[in-house]
Amino acid sequence: GDSVTQMEGPVTLSEEAFLTINCTYTATGYPSLFWYVQYPGEGLQLLLKATKADDKGSNKGFEATYRKETTSFHLEKGSVQVSDSAVYFCALNRFKAAGNKLTFGGGTRVLVKP
Amino acid sequence: GAVVSQHPSWVICKSGTSVKIECRSLDFQATTMFWYRQFPKQSLMLMATSNEGSKATYEQGVEKDKFLINHASLTLSTLTVTSAHPEDSSFYICSARLQGLTEAFFGQGTRLTVV
Repeated sequence: GDSVTQMEGPVTLSEEAFLTINCTYTATGYPSLFWYVQYPGEGLQLLLKATKADDKGSNKGFEATYRKETTSFHLEKGSVQVSDSAVYFCALNRFKAAGNKLTFGGGTRVLVKP
Repeated sequence: GAVVSQHPSWVICKSGTSVKIECRSLDFQATTMFWYRQFPKQSLMLMATSNEGSKATYEQGVEKDKFLINHASLTLSTLTVTSAHPEDSSFYICSARLQGLTEAFFGQGTRLTVV
């Protein structure tokens, strides 16, 4: 079945540091890939997405490139801020297959210190 | 982006009582809504998928008689936790999908505490 694996946290960084969160997936066909962010006590917000190989999703300084050859969708940000402290979830969806369900990774908690 | 509103944000109830959580899509019609449960510091566990006007599809291991899901309209789905017990305490999150789009939009979550 479909699965998403992401690096375990917590990841602790200083402000303005470079952030990378690794995400790899297993799925048949051509899934769409997503990064969601969850701030404390809140639901999930879509951060960025990519729907086909070599697509790059970007938003708020975050980027991730859909790499089909390595089945990866690593999240990066060049200079993090304290406000980026949150839990980040990588997810995939095979859209018309698998009941339109999102498959989530375990989440990576990021803590940015001033 | 599309807005999904969940109500209440938090609720405390006594053991044995039932609690209803609402999930509304405010500015779009959601043909499909999803209900998740999230334990502290863990990922989201899909509980069920609900399609407007039909019975919900529950994931394996989720008790359908305990977690009643109703999707009566294209903008509203409800999750009722029946005869709640302390082990049902959790963070419940709904999401809604606009037909034709790949991404889902999430509500802000409901923290349920059963005492």
